[in-house]
Amino acid sequence: AQKVTQAQTEISVVEKEDVTLDCVYETRDTTYYLFWYKQPPSGELVFLIRRNSFDEQNEISGRYSWNFQKSTSSFNFTITASQVVDSAVYFCALNFYNNNDMRFGAGTRLTVKP
Amino acid sequence: DGGITQSPKYLFRKEGQNVTLSCEQNLNHDAMYWYRQDPGQGLRLIYYSQIVNDFQKGDIAEGYSVSREKKESFPLTVTSAQKNPTAFYLCASSPDRTYEQYFGPGTRLTVT
Repeated sequence: AQKVTQAQTEISVVEKEDVTLDCVYETRDTTYYLFWYKQPPSGELVFLIRRNSFDEQNEISGRYSWNFQKSTSSFNFTITASQVVDSAVYFCALNFYNNNDMRFGAGTRLTVKP
Repeated sequence: DGGITQSPKYLFRKEGQNVTLSCEQNLNHDAMYWYRQDPGQGLRLIYYSQIVNDFQKGDIAEGYSVSREKKESFPLTVTSAQKNPTAFYLCASSPDRTYEQYFGPGTRLTVT
């Protein structure tokens, strides 16, 4: 089964707190791709990051960082020093080589309060 | 500016009517996709197309139809056979199926 689980439905933090969004995936494929998207209130999904299964290096982009661990099938996303503008729904997604059906998690709604 | 456009942003229809949602991209991407999003849920794939004049059903294709006559355009028709058409519809495109997808602003369809 190819599946993405985002167990946290909603998270609320106060501005400047760090927050981690969890993503656990299931796949039998050895070649696969993981993604994170942000959906602000406007509705349009914004691409944040793509990771292939052979690259387990963690990545940092400004206040955003991603921790990819194949041993636990997880691809977690951390926002450091959160800001109100980070408030959105965040989706983790999984795709495979030779496949057209990207699987999305149910999303985590992050609210950052001032 | 390159991107994906969807029109209209809000659409209202009476039950029993077919309605067509527009999706256009100028990113020169081969692959295009249609997703449906219901409140509090993730995205579910309706249809996808890897090349012109070819498209495949996704998980929830029943009650929907598409065409791909041009690389830039991938319109979605919600037919009267779709039992619960009220939803947020998102179109996306990608240079290749293993790459990230880029999304349009979405169309919120309400059928009463």
